[in-house]
Amino acid sequence: DTGVSQNPRHKITKRGQNVTFRCDPISEHNRLYWYRQTLGQGPEFLTYFQNEAQLEKSRLLSDRFSAERPKGSFSTLEIQRTEQGDSAMYLCASSSLVPTYGYTFGSGTRLTVV
Amino acid sequence: GENVEQHPSTLSVQEGDSAVIKCTYSDSASNYFPWYKQELGKRPQLIIDIRSNVGEKKDQRIAVTLNKTAKHFSLHITETQPEDSAVYFCAASGSDNDMRFGAGTRLTVKP
Repeated sequence: DTGVSQNPRHKITKRGQNVTFRCDPISEHNRLYWYRQTLGQGPEFLTYFQNEAQLEKSRLLSDRFSAERPKGSFSTLEIQRTEQGDSAMYLCASSSLVPTYGYTFGSGTRLTVV
Repeated sequence: GENVEQHPSTLSVQEGDSAVIKCTYSDSASNYFPWYKQELGKRPQLIIDIRSNVGEKKDQRIAVTLNKTAKHFSLHITETQPEDSAVYFCAASGSDNDMRFGAGTRLTVKP
């Protein structure tokens, strides 16, 4: 499968712990996006990168969240001091730069904070 | 920023009937409108999209219409089949390319 890859698929963590997720986009895609999806809702935009530059961050992304894409390839999303409200599916997507096309989503990382 | 609203939240149709899902958007600069289908436990998958320079696009049983003046767009599924049952999301994006999604419509096609 040469699509968008996310790891891990599932993560259970205790409240207060830090977690890190990884996303490997489609290799020729310049843009990489992080979304959060809770049950019964559409994906909520968190942040996106164009190559290694983080171009936009949602207000949903509190100080406990940080995302990086150091070499313009894979990206990591870290959540520090997790809270129960962080429990959700974290989706990564990638797209080419121009023209605008639909994103290709990864399978997501399901985070459960207990 | 962009705000996308989607209706209805749930839709139940009989197999063979048509289904219509409607979305509105707020940012007049938005120029790309994809639709995604998400089955339980799976990733959203692009099923059709439309750009602002086109009013309608069709792909077999699926069609999308766009009214730029009214800032709304719709998904039409004809001859529905049980395998069409899923959650459908509309989305809108503009020149900044970050996409905003609607809350989703759970479509159930009864055999």
